[in-house]
Amino acid sequence: KAGVTQTPRYLIKTRGQQVTLSCSPISGHRSVSWYQQTPGQGLQFLFEYFSETQRNKGNFPGRFSGRQFSNSRSEMNVSTLELGDSALYLCASQQNPPSTGGMNTEAFFGQGTRLTVV
Amino acid sequence: AQSVTQLGSHVSVSEGALVLLRCNYSSSVPPYLFWYVQYPNQGLQLLLKYTSAATLVKGINGFEAEFKKSETSFHLTKPSAHMSDAAEYFCAVSGGGTASKLTFGTGTRLQVTL
Repeated sequence: KAGVTQTPRYLIKTRGQQVTLSCSPISGHRSVSWYQQTPGQGLQFLFEYFSETQRNKGNFPGRFSGRQFSNSRSEMNVSTLELGDSALYLCASQQNPPSTGGMNTEAFFGQGTRLTVV
Repeated sequence: AQSVTQLGSHVSVSEGALVLLRCNYSSSVPPYLFWYVQYPNQGLQLLLKYTSAATLVKGINGFEAEFKKSETSFHLTKPSAHMSDAAEYFCAVSGGGTASKLTFGTGTRLQVTL
């Protein structure tokens, strides 16, 4: 079974641009969550999607958005990039998360997308 | 609200020595607790998880952790460190119930020396 796939692995963008990151969950997993990892703030939850609906949202500005498609693949978008958005963005998939009444709580992470804003 | 505190941002042990990485949690609901490992330029790999079954949890690569409610702790141990264990380790908590999101600690970088 293939793992969580994130593309691209590396990105370099200029301040003010926008970026779209992609995540394909493990086959059969319908929940996708996104996390931002920085040296200063550590790992922080961005949002969770299940069945194309956002279920939970972290404390990030509206420049950060996401969506999920009917095949469970997810994208996150960051608009008007700032230097502080430079980070490793991690995607995690779950099969049957508690947010949907399930009991499976194991999250599988992708290798991440390293975004550098210059 | 939930939180996790990892004591010690850096831990250094000799190869063959005991590994002990500390994690204390705070949760208003029965917690689900996890330990993840991250190698350089990689994502997170689950080592083990506690989901209210046995309090002593065994994971991959010889790691185990014990859930102690009275101490609100979930420390990670391994009897004998190997060079390949050098990595960053994260403790995380989720609230169970309808909350799927993970709240992570700040991480502990484990160094293994000869």
